[in-house]
Amino acid sequence: DTGVSQDPRHKITKRGQNVTFRCDPISEHNRLYWYRQTLGQGPEFLTYFQNEAQLEKSRLLSDRFSAERPKGSFSTLEIQRTEQGDSAMYLCASSLLIADTQYFGPGTRLTVL
Amino acid sequence: GESVGLHLPTLSVQEGDNSIINCAYSNSASDYFIWYKQESGKGPQFIIDIRSNMDKRQGQRVTVLLNKTVKHLSLQIAATQPGDSAVYFCAEIEGAQKLVFGQGTRLTINP
Repeated sequence: DTGVSQDPRHKITKRGQNVTFRCDPISEHNRLYWYRQTLGQGPEFLTYFQNEAQLEKSRLLSDRFSAERPKGSFSTLEIQRTEQGDSAMYLCASSLLIADTQYFGPGTRLTVL
Repeated sequence: GESVGLHLPTLSVQEGDNSIINCAYSNSASDYFIWYKQESGKGPQFIIDIRSNMDKRQGQRVTVLLNKTVKHLSLQIAATQPGDSAVYFCAEIEGAQKLVFGQGTRLTINP
């Protein structure tokens, strides 16, 4: 499978715990994006990387959220001190070029109890 | 801020019929639009895209129409099949970077 992959697919955690998600983009895609989707809504942009550089962060990305892409390949999204409002599907996408088609992974479903 | 919206939240059609899903956008500077299909529990799947220098683009059983005058685009699915049942989102590229999605239309194909 040469598409975008995400791990884990599901995560259940207790409020206050830290969680980390991983995204592996399509090989050679320079751009990697993180989105969050709540039930019944479209995905909302969180942040994106051009290679290893994080170029934009949404105001949705509070200081409890941090994303990295250390070698310009896979990326991690960490949420510290999780809150119930963090429960959502976290989606990763990648694209080859600027303003190019973004291809999404299957997402990580986070449930905060 | 600018937004992308959809006219109808749900749409039901008979198997074999054609379906049309509509989308309105407000940013007249938008120049790239994408339709995604999302099945339950899965990530959005690319269907078709269109740039502002085009009015129409066709794929396999799908056609996207863009009317820049009224800032409207539509997705036409021909000869619908049960596997077409999903939520469909239109999205625009903002700032050549992030996608801005509408709320989606749930398409149900009735046997």
